[in-house]
Amino acid sequence: DGGITQSPKYLFRKEGQNVTLSCEQNLNHDAMYWYRQDPGQGLRLIYYSQIVNDFQKGDIAEGYSVSREKKESFPLTVTSAQKNPTAFYLCASSQTGASNEKLFFGSGTQLSVL
Amino acid sequence: GDSVTQMEGPVTLSEEAFLTINCTYTATGYPSLFWYVQYPGEGLQLLLKATKADDKGSNKGFEATYRKETTSFHLEKGSVQVSDSAVYFCALINTGRRALTFGSGTRLQVQP
Repeated sequence: DGGITQSPKYLFRKEGQNVTLSCEQNLNHDAMYWYRQDPGQGLRLIYYSQIVNDFQKGDIAEGYSVSREKKESFPLTVTSAQKNPTAFYLCASSQTGASNEKLFFGSGTQLSVL
Repeated sequence: GDSVTQMEGPVTLSEEAFLTINCTYTATGYPSLFWYVQYPGEGLQLLLKATKADDKGSNKGFEATYRKETTSFHLEKGSVQVSDSAVYFCALINTGRRALTFGSGTRLQVQP
């Protein structure tokens, strides 16, 4: 079945530690996105990538980094510079170009600080 | 910048009641509008969309009409079921932008 796989489902970070969230898609989509979901604040865009080897900062990129070395993979690293990392992280993908684009979401990773 | 405002939840209804979840937006130009739904423990799924003024999106008994004069895209359903319990997100994407802008979400709880 085609879709987006996020792993792990739950992740714990220690003080000063970098952690990486995995996102893989087999939908052959060009564009991939990372959103952060906090209670009462909806989804906020962290980073997005329209094509391999290219990515752009979203609205809350500070303390995060990404790479897009392969079309199907878009890992997100939460660095020690992110002082409030506890949140639910959602990865999504879409075909590019259309203003009526439809996003396909993974099932998310819950990150908590120890 | 673009923004989406949704009514605060939770919205609690009895089965077969009428549902309205309000959504208004601020954006220049002519954005496309969306409703996404998130069931417990899952990612978001597209529920319906509308790409121009006066368009009506519909799916699974849910409807929303793109009202440019009131900058609104309210979600409605005539008779809700317990299985409709979820969080509903209104979103938009504007010309020249590369990603959706989401509202804060509205939790719907339907009681039997």
